[in-house]
Amino acid sequence: SYVLTQPPSVSVAPGQTARITCGGNNIGSKSVHWYQQKPGQAPVLVVYDDSDRPSGIPERFSGSNSGNTATLTISRVEAGDEADYYCQVWDSSSDHHVVFGGGTKLTVL
Amino acid sequence: QVQLVESGGGLVKPGGSLRLSCAASGFTFSDYYMSWIRQAPGKGLEWVSYISSSGSTIYYADSVKGRFTISRDNAKNSLYLQMNSLRAEDTAVYYCAKVTLWYFDLWGRGTLVTVSS
Repeated sequence: SYVLTQPPSVSVAPGQTARITCGGNNIGSKSVHWYQQKPGQAPVLVVYDDSDRPSGIPERFSGSNSGNTATLTISRVEAGDEADYYCQVWDSSSDHHVVFGGGTKLTVL
Repeated sequence: QVQLVESGGGLVKPGGSLRLSCAASGFTFSDYYMSWIRQAPGKGLEWVSYISSSGSTIYYADSVKGRFTISRDNAKNSLYLQMNSLRAEDTAVYYCAKVTLWYFDLWGRGTLVTVSS
């Protein structure tokens, strides 16, 4: 089955740029989606199809995807960005279909 | 208002059954695939199942195959998850989610299922 690998944690100071990676075999050939989950809340889609943003998501959130790594970039990080972030792909080549990464805890120092 | 509201969670003994419901509003429910996703306490997201807009296509994660059944009633704008032979490892918050072109663009707040004796 397809596996997505994320770092367990990323730390960044306010105002700096956070980069959260999502590794997978030839992930560049797939569409990658990213979710933000704050404690006690449901996940929220922040980037879809590698780099598109849903309405209402700040431009500070952006994504890229190439080769074996997809990246969620959060510019000018704010305290309110502290959350867990999950990447996800739809793997039609396997019975598992939907694959989530293990999640990354973003800490704003 | 565009929203999904889950219900039906609770405490159940191992081997027991539970039926979750998800009420959709604010969008044309019958146009979209829907899915159940769960999250065990302190753990990450795990996809459980999805169902096509008409209900004709259904897939399950291996961990629930043969025990869980997803269904929908488009006339009632509702999604369901029948869970049988529940195990301790099924303990989780269960979210229903709307599927748009293979991502989940609307999530409910979730309902907690606890399997314990």
